[in-house]
Amino acid sequence: DQQVKQNSPSLSVQEGRISILNCDYTNSMFDYFLWYKKYPAEGPTFLISISSIKDKNEDGRFTVFLNKSAKHLSLHIVPSQPGDSAVYFCAASPVYNTDKLIFGTGTRLQVFP
Amino acid sequence: KAGVTQTPRYLIKTRGQQVTLSCSPISGHRSVSWYQQTPGQGLQFLFEYFSETQRNKGNFPGRFSGRQFSNSRSEMNVSTLELGDSALYLCASSPRENYGYTFGSGTRLTVV
Repeated sequence: DQQVKQNSPSLSVQEGRISILNCDYTNSMFDYFLWYKKYPAEGPTFLISISSIKDKNEDGRFTVFLNKSAKHLSLHIVPSQPGDSAVYFCAASPVYNTDKLIFGTGTRLQVFP
Repeated sequence: KAGVTQTPRYLIKTRGQQVTLSCSPISGHRSVSWYQQTPGQGLQFLFEYFSETQRNKGNFPGRFSGRQFSNSRSEMNVSTLELGDSALYLCASSPRENYGYTFGSGTRLTVV
């Protein structure tokens, strides 16, 4: 059973516009959430995180929103750039321990000019 | 449907030994990729296989090798183990390259 779900396998966005990547989870014990970015033939690299005590975390063009009651988080990229084209993974953990991460299946973002 | 299965879950080896880890992908998935996760380095790409062919290889020494069988199951082998090889090794399968990855729970390797 997939505890972390990314229901959109791909997303295309025009350069300069907002990209919104969504993630849903089922385990109410998840306490820490991360987004990773992955280029082909590379490992996922950490992008941004949020703990359950917050509902928003911002880092430059990247903002993650957490809605605990809906068990939903989203990653906003504004403005989107062609270099943002990659696969984005949502991951969740019951504790602040990356060994316990449960990954979603990823959303492939394509930013076109 | 069954997820990605990695065996064993935990392993303790001594320096100089060799180890083989196994990954069974989701049925129908033909791509399998391997990653090493350590607290300091994060998730590092090891290699990726598609239809029994190694498509990409990360920046790891030749002691790290892998293969994929005709049923898409994959193994990775680490020879002459070093203390620094202690890590969580994750396998992910996908129906095609760069799309729809599903991660296994990992194999925790400890080298003593």
